[in-house]
Amino acid sequence: AQSVTQLGSHVSVSEGALVLLRCNYSSSVPPYLFWYVQYPNQGLQLLLKYTSAATLVKGINGFEAEFKKSETSFHLTKPSAHMSDAAEYFCAVREAAGNKLTFGGGTRVLVKP
Amino acid sequence: DSGVTQTPKHLITATGQRVTLRCSPRSGDLSVYWYQQSLDQGLQFLIQYYNGEERAKGNILERFSAQQFPDLHSELNLSSLELGDSALYFCASSVGDLATHEQYFGPGTRLTVT
Repeated sequence: AQSVTQLGSHVSVSEGALVLLRCNYSSSVPPYLFWYVQYPNQGLQLLLKYTSAATLVKGINGFEAEFKKSETSFHLTKPSAHMSDAAEYFCAVREAAGNKLTFGGGTRVLVKP
Repeated sequence: DSGVTQTPKHLITATGQRVTLRCSPRSGDLSVYWYQQSLDQGLQFLIQYYNGEERAKGNILERFSAQQFPDLHSELNLSSLELGDSALYFCASSVGDLATHEQYFGPGTRLTVT
């Protein structure tokens, strides 16, 4: 079965600093990969997705992620954190032959002024 | 706003009771997915419907059931509720059921079982 590991359940960054959220997946076949963001008391919003095209994927709000097959990773980055980036971020995988999303445990980002 | 609506937003009920959660997908979307988000289990896939038919099943308890109606809205029925069923229940929809089709999430229904 697919699994997704997000390193660090909480990350604290200063405003203007780099945001780096780590995601590793387990799959023998490269899956489709997603990053979602969840703001307090809201649903999940898609940030970006990898579907076997370019390995560097750009998303909304200045986020991007790089798919590295050799490392089975799909880390999310943003060069300069903004206060509005404070939220919980989820990495998810979806197999080419499947329908469900399998989520990681989530990483809560705190942005300090 | 994702275009996916869920009602009610909050639900408080007692153990042993039965509740129904409702989801309306985005206009034109044929697939509906249900997910449960709890502190101990995280976000888990429950079940998927595509154009009225069950397409995939995840970690859904036998006490839970769902259906998708001809107008494509979906309902998740939870019965014989236990304290551990307290969670946020999300509905998502996508245009089809291919793996590349994005899933758009609703705001969720927060269920509290007392």
